[in-house]
Amino acid sequence: AQSVTQPDIHITVSEGASLELRCNYSYGATPYLFWYVQSPGQGLQLLLKYFSGDTLVQGIKGFEAEFKRSQSSFNLRKPSVHWSDAAEYFCAVGARGSARQLTFGSGTQLTVLP
Amino acid sequence: EADIYQTPRYLVIGTGKKITLECSQTMGHDKMYWYQQDPGMELHLIHYSYGVNSTEKGDLSSESTVSRIRTEHFPLTLESARPSHTSQYLCASSEWVGGEKLFFGSGTQLSVL
Repeated sequence: AQSVTQPDIHITVSEGASLELRCNYSYGATPYLFWYVQSPGQGLQLLLKYFSGDTLVQGIKGFEAEFKRSQSSFNLRKPSVHWSDAAEYFCAVGARGSARQLTFGSGTQLTVLP
Repeated sequence: EADIYQTPRYLVIGTGKKITLECSQTMGHDKMYWYQQDPGMELHLIHYSYGVNSTEKGDLSSESTVSRIRTEHFPLTLESARPSHTSQYLCASSEWVGGEKLFFGSGTQLSVL
């Protein structure tokens, strides 16, 4: 069975600092990996996705993520965090073409200090 | 910008009441989904539809039911609400091609007293 683990429930960083959110997955085939962000009172928005090719993918809002097959990881990074990045971040793994089998992690809550 | 709408945004009701959570999208997406989200937990799929008159249960068992009479509309109904139904319910949609990308509504926070 596929699964996603986000080891950090809550992370606090200062504005302007760098950020890395961890994601580990378990999947039987070639994984399709996603990061979604949920701002307070809002639904989830896709930040970026990885299917194949270059293992470093760029997303919206200055985020990037790196796929490491050997470590079963897909960590999200941002070089300089802005106060508006405070939100909950969800990693997900699934199959191409349908979200029917998408499995989400339990999320990481990001707090940004001024 | 996603065009998927959920109403109401918040709902507080008493036990035993029948409720319907509304979800509509204007993107013409064939696939629609209902997720249940509790604090600190992953999203769980409770219902899925791949087109008009097609619905199936998701991975998480739910006492709710859904219907898909029109492409743009995917309401969720609870015949008799209980406190255990208290949760956030998120509606989403995706295209037939590239359907792995989800567009989410803002959610309905349901509290059953």
